[in-house]
Amino acid sequence: RKEVEQDPGPFNVPEGATVAFNCTYSNSASQSFFWYRQDCRKEPKLLMSVYSSGNEDGRFTAQLNRASQYISLLIRDSKLSDSATYLCVVIPTGGFKTIFGAGTRLFVKA
Amino acid sequence: DAGVIQSPRHEVTEMGQEVTLRCKPISGHDYLFWYRQTMMRGLELLIYFNNNVPIDDSGMPEDRFSAKMPNASFSTLKIQPSEPRDSAVYFCASSLIRQGSSYEQYFGPGTRLTVT
Repeated sequence: RKEVEQDPGPFNVPEGATVAFNCTYSNSASQSFFWYRQDCRKEPKLLMSVYSSGNEDGRFTAQLNRASQYISLLIRDSKLSDSATYLCVVIPTGGFKTIFGAGTRLFVKA
Repeated sequence: DAGVIQSPRHEVTEMGQEVTLRCKPISGHDYLFWYRQTMMRGLELLIYFNNNVPIDDSGMPEDRFSAKMPNASFSTLKIQPSEPRDSAVYFCASSLIRQGSSYEQYFGPGTRLTVT
């Protein structure tokens, strides 16, 4: 079993749609969680950190469920510019051995 | 303010040759990470440094790979000898990690390596 697993996608949605991605992690002793975004042939960039209480940044909402060991990302009112690959990232306790999920591709269509 | 700088951006080499990838982290950052990205395996952490000291190299695939960080502003990843299966995009990232900070890693543009 992979340490971090994501919905494989791709997700094809129209502009204005709401879309949700899930990610599960196997190591219960994980300390930090993130969503990164990667555009085609570009480097990954931090989208948002994920906190235990859940957090929101504009149209983006991230949730963490430690008991079930999954995190989620919700995108509301999708824009064409949201088309990208979304990477789930987990850092286990005791260091910074960062583990990336395989990514979920999102295509937003006009 | 300059971000993470990597060179070369593209490298094409023949099997058996030595390849050296270079990275200059963001000034003041105390962590440096080397990653490899392929379609099959995604983004994998190879090694990371804290204050120029290698902390975890368990992701380095085999002895053909080595990484150094002689000072706070420079790191290299070397492959010797290179093989076709090493073809990938290699990213360097840096971070300033403090209690209460975001742990954000800033990635360089990557080096696209092709081994023929």
